[in-house]
Amino acid sequence: NAGVTQTPKFQVLKTGQSMTLQCAQDMNHEYMSWYRQDPGMGLRLIHYSVGAGITDQGEVPNGYNVSRSTTEDFPLRLLSAAPSQTSVYFCASSLAGNTGTDTQYFGPGTRLTVL
Amino acid sequence: QQQVKQSPQSLIVQKGGIPIINCAYENTAFDYFPWYQQFPGKGPALLIAIRPDVSEKKEGRFTISFNKSAKQFSLHIMDSQPGDSATYFCAASTSGTYKYIFGTGTRLKVLA
Repeated sequence: NAGVTQTPKFQVLKTGQSMTLQCAQDMNHEYMSWYRQDPGMGLRLIHYSVGAGITDQGEVPNGYNVSRSTTEDFPLRLLSAAPSQTSVYFCASSLAGNTGTDTQYFGPGTRLTVL
Repeated sequence: QQQVKQSPQSLIVQKGGIPIINCAYENTAFDYFPWYQQFPGKGPALLIAIRPDVSEKKEGRFTISFNKSAKQFSLHIMDSQPGDSATYFCAASTSGTYKYIFGTGTRLKVLA
């Protein structure tokens, strides 16, 4: 099992550009999520999905879109990048999203810089 | 709005020491409190977790102490080793919400 994979590892964008961060998991997990990690802020939930076709907003969803067409993939789209979106982005997955019993597995992260 | 406060921001201990990282929460609906360990360039990984019905949980050299009345929980690392040098995050969640709230992280360095 590859676990949770993320591409690209690094990305530099100019303000206003759009891009998609890719996330895939091969553990047949129903629950997937996206976090951003900023110095002194910990990890903050952007969007999450409890299954194919179902997504919901987290703590900081503005400026980001998601969709879940398959169980395996959960891409994160930046529609018009802003310098405030410079961050390290982590994708995570768990069996069913039950925060009390399911272990959440994180990908290796994507470091995004917006100039 | 920060609902889980973590301290200290950084910590340096000698090998064999017992670093203690503290977290405090406000939301009494939280019922699951995990700790994550993150090495540089890697994603966080679950280390140990506790529910409020117990006051302490041990897994190997890692112990969580939980004080429900004070709304605080702590991570203790016994006989710390240089390989424990990492960033540690506490988190909290409420069953059924699918959401975790993370603390701001503690960067631990264990000197050889």
